[in-house]
Amino acid sequence: DAGVTQSPTHLIKTRGQQVTLRCSPKSGHDTVSWYQQALGQGPQFIFQYYEEEERQRGNFPDRFSGHQFPNYSSELNVNALLLGDSALYLCASSLVNWQGTEAFFGQGTRLTVV
Amino acid sequence: DAKTTQPNSMESNEEEPVHLPCNHSTISGTDYIHWYRQLPSQGPEYVIHGLTSNVNNRMASLAIAEDRKSSTLILHRATLRDAAVYYCIGSQGNLIFGKGTKLSVKP
Repeated sequence: DAGVTQSPTHLIKTRGQQVTLRCSPKSGHDTVSWYQQALGQGPQFIFQYYEEEERQRGNFPDRFSGHQFPNYSSELNVNALLLGDSALYLCASSLVNWQGTEAFFGQGTRLTVV
Repeated sequence: DAKTTQPNSMESNEEEPVHLPCNHSTISGTDYIHWYRQLPSQGPEYVIHGLTSNVNNRMASLAIAEDRKSSTLILHRATLRDAAVYYCIGSQGNLIFGKGTKLSVKP
């Protein structure tokens, strides 16, 4: 089992551009959550997807959007990139009723906006 | 989701036990207490979780206060590989991370 895989691992974008990050959940998991982690801070919850719909959302602007596919993989899209969007973006997978189980995180995508 | 309070940093000596405290006084009766850790340059990693009773697994033990307003993560013998940021989370839904406790382990 490959666990949670994220791609790409690193990328550099220019302010104002758009970016798409990808996540494949752990086998058997149906829920994907996305987090943004700035340097020296804890991960901040962006949103969670289940059954191809956004279930919950953190305090992030509409520039952040996502998608979940029938195979449970997910994408995070960020439009009109700002310098402040530079961060590590983490994907976590879990089961929808996950409280009795653990969430698995990918290694993250390091986004640098210049 | 419960607000949690953890010390910013702690130090330990290798092969000694470590007790990482967490206060979660606003926790609801259905919130689980989760602990994750994040090693440098990696994504968070599950450590342990519990609801009311103390829990043990191969990585650590979780001691939950009777009133559930606090808990302690216990690493029985710290190793250099345990140096990480440890996050305590009180949640029945999404994992909402605070700043965590940065644990340093000295050889």
